[in-house]
Amino acid sequence: GQNIDQPTEMTATEGAIVQINCTYQTSGFNGLFWYQQHAGEAPTFLSYNVLDGLEEKGRFSSFLSRSKGYSYLLLKELQMKDSASYLCAGQSSYKLIFGSGTRLLVRP
Amino acid sequence: GAGVSQSPSNKVTEKGKDVELRCDPISGHTALYWYRQSLGQGLEFLIYFQGNSAPDKSGLPSDRFSAERTGGSVSTLTIQRTQQEDSAVYLCASSFRLPRETQYFGPGTRLLVL
Repeated sequence: GQNIDQPTEMTATEGAIVQINCTYQTSGFNGLFWYQQHAGEAPTFLSYNVLDGLEEKGRFSSFLSRSKGYSYLLLKELQMKDSASYLCAGQSSYKLIFGSGTRLLVRP
Repeated sequence: GAGVSQSPSNKVTEKGKDVELRCDPISGHTALYWYRQSLGQGLEFLIYFQGNSAPDKSGLPSDRFSAERTGGSVSTLTIQRTQQEDSAVYLCASSFRLPRETQYFGPGTRLLVL
């Protein structure tokens, strides 16, 4: 199967760090994407992992462990504008298989 | 540069009517995807076009759904005899040819079937 699981909602405080986890049970995934989606808007690309390890890009980092079927998105120095849904997506050939997304609420 | 564009941005229709949704991909992108996003849900893959190859239609939920892509650019998603459960946001994305290329999404068409 190709199930992707992530928490439905998370809440964090402005300036803090939050980690959004994503687990998957699949065969044939050749990469793991994270997208950000603000309410009523299109998803925008955040990160892509194809190898195990941590990819850092400014305040955002993404980690992948292919053997464990596990990824996380780490957001540092949270800002109010980071309140959005974060979508984990596994790439199987040319298809993206999305999880249901994690709604992150950043409080002052 | 211009991103992926979709039209209309919103569509309200009556049950049983046909609707057409349009997508203009980023210039030079040969791969085009359609996804559906129901309220509070993740994105559901519908169909994939790559150049002149036969499209992957494996995600289309029923034979009421069809899509075409003319001249390797603009795509139209058609839903015939719409049902209330078709209400969702329909998102189009495009990318370069290689499978690992990032997909860029359009703003979506919000479809409401009354």
